[in-house]
Amino acid sequence: AQRVTQPEKLLSVFKGAPVELKCNYSYSGSPELFWYVQYSRQRLQLLLRHISRESIKGFTADLNKGETSFHLKKPFAQEEDSAMYYCALSRTSGSRLTFGEGTQLTVNP
Amino acid sequence: NAGVTQTPKFRVLKTGQSMTLLCAQDMNHEYMYWYRQDPGMGLRLIHYSVGEGTTAKGEVPDGYNVSRLKKQNFLLGLESAAPSQTSVYFCASSGGRNEQYFGPGTRLTVT
Repeated sequence: AQRVTQPEKLLSVFKGAPVELKCNYSYSGSPELFWYVQYSRQRLQLLLRHISRESIKGFTADLNKGETSFHLKKPFAQEEDSAMYYCALSRTSGSRLTFGEGTQLTVNP
Repeated sequence: NAGVTQTPKFRVLKTGQSMTLLCAQDMNHEYMYWYRQDPGMGLRLIHYSVGEGTTAKGEVPDGYNVSRLKKQNFLLGLESAAPSQTSVYFCASSGGRNEQYFGPGTRLTVT
């Protein structure tokens, strides 16, 4: 069975500092990885997905199959980045997502 | 487009009571999902549907039932609520193996 692990429940950084939210997964096939974000009092929304290779709101994430990781990075954090971030995995076939436990990011002024 | 909507937004139940949560989507999506969100546990899939008239169990289906009589609606039922079902419930829909669109959530408290 697939599993997604986000080792940090809470992460606090200062504005302008780099930030990295860790995500590790276990799955024997070829997964598709996602980062979802939930801002305060808002619904979850897709931030980015590994196949798009995009940078969204300054965030990037690279799929490392050797280390089975999909860490989310941003070189200069902003206060508006404060939110709950979830890493999620979709199996080779099918539409179900398996979510990690989530990391609450706080960017301090 | 309203996207994914959920009713009600809040509900307080007493142990043993029943209720139904309604999820509606206007994007003509085939797939719909019900999750519960609990602190430190992320989102866990309760039940899901791959099309009208179909339902399947997710990770934590016990104590819940679902129905998908119409493509745009996905109902989640609690027949006999328990305090362990106190949670925030999210509905989502998708067009396949791609982005899931989430509703605003329903905060349920069972006393």
